[in-house]
Amino acid sequence: NAGVTQTPKFQVLKTGQSMTLQCAQDMNHEYMSWYRQDPGMGLRLIHYSVGAGITDQGEVPNGYNVSRSTTEDFPLRLLSAAPSQTSVYFCASQRGSVSNEQFFGPGTRLTVL
Amino acid sequence: DAKTTQPNSMESNEEEPVHLPCNHSTISGTDYIHWYRQLPSQGPEYVIHGLTSNVNNRMASLAIAEDRKSSTLILHRATLRDAAVYYCILFSQGAQKLVFGQGTRLTINP
Repeated sequence: NAGVTQTPKFQVLKTGQSMTLQCAQDMNHEYMSWYRQDPGMGLRLIHYSVGAGITDQGEVPNGYNVSRSTTEDFPLRLLSAAPSQTSVYFCASQRGSVSNEQFFGPGTRLTVL
Repeated sequence: DAKTTQPNSMESNEEEPVHLPCNHSTISGTDYIHWYRQLPSQGPEYVIHGLTSNVNNRMASLAIAEDRKSSTLILHRATLRDAAVYYCILFSQGAQKLVFGQGTRLTINP
Protein backbone atom coordinates (compact mmCIF):
# COMPACT_ATOMS: atom_id res chain seq x y z
CA ASN A 1 0.00 0.00 0.00
CA ALA A 2 1.16 3.51 -0.79
CA GLY A 3 -0.79 4.82 2.22
CA VAL A 4 -1.73 8.50 2.05
CA THR A 5 -0.22 10.42 -0.87
CA GLN A 6 -0.29 14.15 -1.44
CA THR A 7 0.61 16.23 -4.48
CA PRO A 8 2.31 18.56 -5.05
CA LYS A 9 5.04 18.55 -2.38
CA PHE A 10 5.73 22.26 -2.87
CA GLN A 11 3.73 25.06 -4.48
CA VAL A 12 4.13 28.82 -4.84
CA LEU A 13 1.05 30.89 -5.73
CA LYS A 14 0.35 34.54 -6.26
CA THR A 15 -2.40 36.24 -4.29
CA GLY A 16 -5.76 35.60 -5.92
CA GLN A 17 -4.79 32.43 -7.75
CA SER A 18 -6.71 29.23 -7.18
CA MET A 19 -5.43 25.69 -6.98
CA THR A 20 -6.27 22.20 -5.78
CA LEU A 21 -4.17 20.14 -3.39
CA GLN A 22 -4.58 16.45 -4.10
CA CYS A 23 -4.90 13.71 -1.50
CA ALA A 24 -5.41 10.01 -2.10
CA GLN A 25 -5.41 6.88 0.04
CA ASP A 26 -5.46 3.23 -0.96
CA MET A 27 -6.50 1.74 2.37
CA ASN A 28 -10.27 2.00 1.80
CA HIS A 29 -10.61 4.30 4.80
CA GLU A 30 -13.94 5.98 5.37
CA TYR A 31 -12.61 9.06 7.14
CA MET A 32 -10.36 11.67 5.58
CA SER A 33 -9.27 15.06 6.87
CA TRP A 34 -7.29 18.13 5.88
CA TYR A 35 -5.14 20.04 8.39
CA ARG A 36 -2.88 23.06 8.13
CA GLN A 37 0.19 23.70 10.21
CA ASP A 38 1.66 27.17 10.54
CA PRO A 39 5.29 27.58 11.67
CA GLY A 40 5.82 26.54 15.30
CA MET A 41 2.15 25.63 15.74
CA GLY A 42 0.09 22.50 16.09
CA LEU A 43 -2.21 21.23 13.36
CA ARG A 44 -5.60 22.82 12.79
CA LEU A 45 -8.46 21.00 11.11
CA ILE A 46 -9.79 22.58 7.90
CA HIS A 47 -12.37 20.11 6.59
CA TYR A 48 -13.12 16.44 7.05
CA SER A 49 -15.22 13.69 5.49
CA VAL A 50 -16.78 10.59 7.03
CA GLY A 51 -17.44 8.95 3.68
CA ALA A 52 -18.00 9.52 -0.02
CA GLY A 53 -20.44 12.37 -0.56
CA ILE A 54 -20.22 13.63 3.04
CA THR A 55 -18.04 16.53 4.16
CA ASP A 56 -18.03 18.90 7.12
CA GLN A 57 -16.14 21.94 8.36
CA GLY A 58 -13.35 21.92 10.90
CA GLU A 59 -11.81 24.79 12.90
CA VAL A 60 -10.54 26.92 10.00
CA PRO A 61 -12.65 26.25 6.86
CA ASN A 62 -12.81 29.77 5.39
CA GLY A 63 -11.17 30.08 2.00
CA TYR A 64 -11.18 26.34 1.31
CA ASN A 65 -13.57 23.93 -0.40
CA VAL A 66 -13.60 20.15 -0.40
CA SER A 67 -15.53 17.36 -2.07
CA ARG A 68 -15.48 13.58 -1.67
CA SER A 69 -16.78 11.88 -4.80
CA THR A 70 -14.85 8.66 -4.17
CA THR A 71 -13.57 6.84 -1.10
CA GLU A 72 -9.98 7.21 -2.30
CA ASP A 73 -9.71 10.93 -3.06
CA PHE A 74 -10.24 14.07 -1.00
CA PRO A 75 -9.02 17.20 -2.84
CA LEU A 76 -8.70 20.57 -1.11
CA ARG A 77 -9.42 23.66 -3.20
CA LEU A 78 -8.11 27.13 -2.47
CA LEU A 79 -10.58 29.50 -4.08
CA SER A 80 -8.55 32.73 -4.07
CA ALA A 81 -5.17 32.32 -2.40
CA ALA A 82 -4.11 34.80 0.28
CA PRO A 83 -0.74 35.20 2.06
CA SER A 84 -2.46 34.04 5.28
CA GLN A 85 -2.85 30.63 3.64
CA THR A 86 0.90 30.12 3.51
CA SER A 87 1.30 26.94 5.49
CA VAL A 88 2.05 23.22 5.35
CA TYR A 89 -1.03 21.17 4.53
CA PHE A 90 -1.50 17.59 5.74
CA CYS A 91 -4.09 15.09 4.63
CA ALA A 92 -5.04 12.16 6.85
CA SER A 93 -7.21 9.07 6.63
CA GLN A 94 -8.69 6.71 9.20
CA ARG A 95 -10.57 3.46 9.18
CA GLY A 96 -13.90 3.33 10.93
CA SER A 97 -14.34 4.70 14.41
CA VAL A 98 -12.48 7.03 16.74
CA SER A 99 -10.71 4.07 18.31
CA ASN A 100 -8.48 3.73 15.27
CA GLU A 101 -5.32 5.58 14.31
CA GLN A 102 -5.09 8.31 11.68
CA PHE A 103 -2.52 7.98 8.90
CA PHE A 104 -0.99 11.22 7.64
CA GLY A 105 0.46 12.11 4.27
CA PRO A 106 3.87 13.78 3.83
CA GLY A 107 2.41 17.26 3.46
CA THR A 108 2.29 20.04 0.86
CA ARG A 109 4.27 23.20 1.58
CA LEU A 110 2.36 26.16 0.13
CA THR A 111 3.66 29.71 -0.17
CA VAL A 112 1.35 32.53 -1.26
CA LEU A 113 3.10 35.70 -2.38
CA ASP B 1 -13.99 19.73 22.09
CA ALA B 2 -12.26 18.64 25.27
CA LYS B 3 -8.83 20.21 25.77
CA THR B 4 -5.48 18.82 26.80
CA THR B 5 -2.57 20.52 28.57
CA GLN B 6 1.03 19.50 27.98
CA PRO B 7 4.39 21.03 28.92
CA ASN B 8 5.85 23.05 26.05
CA SER B 9 9.17 21.21 26.15
CA MET B 10 11.06 18.41 27.87
CA GLU B 11 14.58 17.13 27.72
CA SER B 12 16.03 13.71 28.40
CA ASN B 13 19.10 11.63 27.78
CA GLU B 14 19.59 8.84 25.33
CA GLU B 15 18.78 5.35 26.62
CA GLU B 16 16.85 6.71 29.60
CA PRO B 17 13.08 6.43 30.09
CA VAL B 18 10.94 9.46 29.28
CA HIS B 19 7.59 10.25 30.86
CA LEU B 20 5.49 12.78 28.92
CA PRO B 21 2.50 14.06 30.93
CA CYS B 22 -0.87 15.23 29.67
CA ASN B 23 -3.77 16.73 31.63
CA HIS B 24 -7.32 16.40 30.33
CA SER B 25 -9.55 17.30 33.26
CA THR B 26 -12.67 17.81 31.08
CA ILE B 27 -12.49 14.40 29.43
CA SER B 28 -15.82 12.66 28.89
CA GLY B 29 -16.52 8.99 29.34
CA THR B 30 -16.39 8.20 25.63
CA ASP B 31 -13.25 10.17 24.75
CA TYR B 32 -10.26 8.15 23.57
CA ILE B 33 -6.79 9.42 24.50
CA HIS B 34 -4.54 9.44 21.44
CA TRP B 35 -0.84 10.25 21.20
CA TYR B 36 0.87 11.27 17.98
CA ARG B 37 4.36 12.52 17.34
CA GLN B 38 5.81 14.68 14.59
CA LEU B 39 9.42 14.42 13.55
CA PRO B 40 10.99 17.45 11.87
CA SER B 41 9.61 18.11 8.36
CA GLN B 42 7.28 15.10 8.49
CA GLY B 43 3.58 14.49 9.00
CA PRO B 44 2.31 13.31 12.39
CA GLU B 45 2.77 9.66 13.22
CA TYR B 46 0.48 7.59 15.43
CA VAL B 47 2.07 6.42 18.67
CA ILE B 48 -0.59 4.87 20.88
CA HIS B 49 -4.13 5.32 22.16
CA GLY B 50 -6.34 4.10 24.98
CA LEU B 51 -9.68 4.53 26.70
CA THR B 52 -9.42 3.41 30.33
CA SER B 53 -6.76 0.75 30.75
CA ASN B 54 -3.02 1.13 30.38
CA VAL B 55 -1.76 0.18 26.92
CA ASN B 56 1.54 -1.08 25.57
CA ASN B 57 2.84 -1.37 22.03
CA ARG B 58 6.21 -1.63 20.35
CA MET B 59 6.73 2.12 20.44
CA ALA B 60 5.58 3.15 23.90
CA SER B 61 3.31 2.64 26.89
CA LEU B 62 0.31 4.73 27.88
CA ALA B 63 -0.55 5.04 31.55
CA ILE B 64 -4.04 6.43 32.21
CA ALA B 65 -5.01 7.76 35.63
CA GLU B 66 -7.89 6.03 37.36
CA ASP B 67 -10.09 9.15 37.07
CA ARG B 68 -8.91 9.58 33.43
CA LYS B 69 -8.11 13.23 34.01
CA SER B 70 -4.47 12.72 33.13
CA SER B 71 -2.26 10.33 31.23
CA THR B 72 1.44 9.71 30.67
CA LEU B 73 3.21 8.54 27.56
CA ILE B 74 6.24 6.44 28.47
CA LEU B 75 9.16 5.89 26.12
CA HIS B 76 11.05 3.12 27.86
CA ARG B 77 14.47 3.78 26.39
CA ALA B 78 14.77 6.99 24.41
CA THR B 79 16.88 7.19 21.28
CA LEU B 80 17.93 10.24 19.27
CA ARG B 81 15.23 9.31 16.75
CA ASP B 82 12.57 9.92 19.41
CA ALA B 83 13.27 13.66 19.32
CA ALA B 84 9.96 15.09 18.10
CA VAL B 85 6.88 17.05 19.09
CA TYR B 86 4.45 14.80 20.96
CA TYR B 87 0.73 15.56 20.85
CA CYS B 88 -1.82 14.30 23.36
CA ILE B 89 -5.30 14.42 21.82
CA LEU B 90 -8.80 13.52 22.94
CA PHE B 91 -10.81 11.87 20.21
CA SER B 92 -14.54 12.00 20.84
CA GLN B 93 -17.13 9.52 19.71
CA GLY B 94 -19.20 11.22 17.06
CA ALA B 95 -16.72 14.09 16.59
CA GLN B 96 -14.77 12.22 13.91
CA LYS B 97 -11.87 14.58 14.15
CA LEU B 98 -8.60 15.06 16.00
CA VAL B 99 -8.03 18.46 17.62
CA PHE B 100 -4.31 19.11 18.05
CA GLY B 101 -2.89 21.30 20.79
CA GLN B 102 0.62 22.76 20.96
CA GLY B 103 2.28 19.50 21.99
CA THR B 104 5.53 18.85 23.89
CA ARG B 105 8.84 19.29 22.11
CA LEU B 106 11.07 16.45 23.31
CA THR B 107 14.83 16.87 23.05
CA ILE B 108 17.09 13.84 23.50
CA ASN B 109 20.69 14.44 24.51
CA PRO B 110 23.38 11.98 23.36
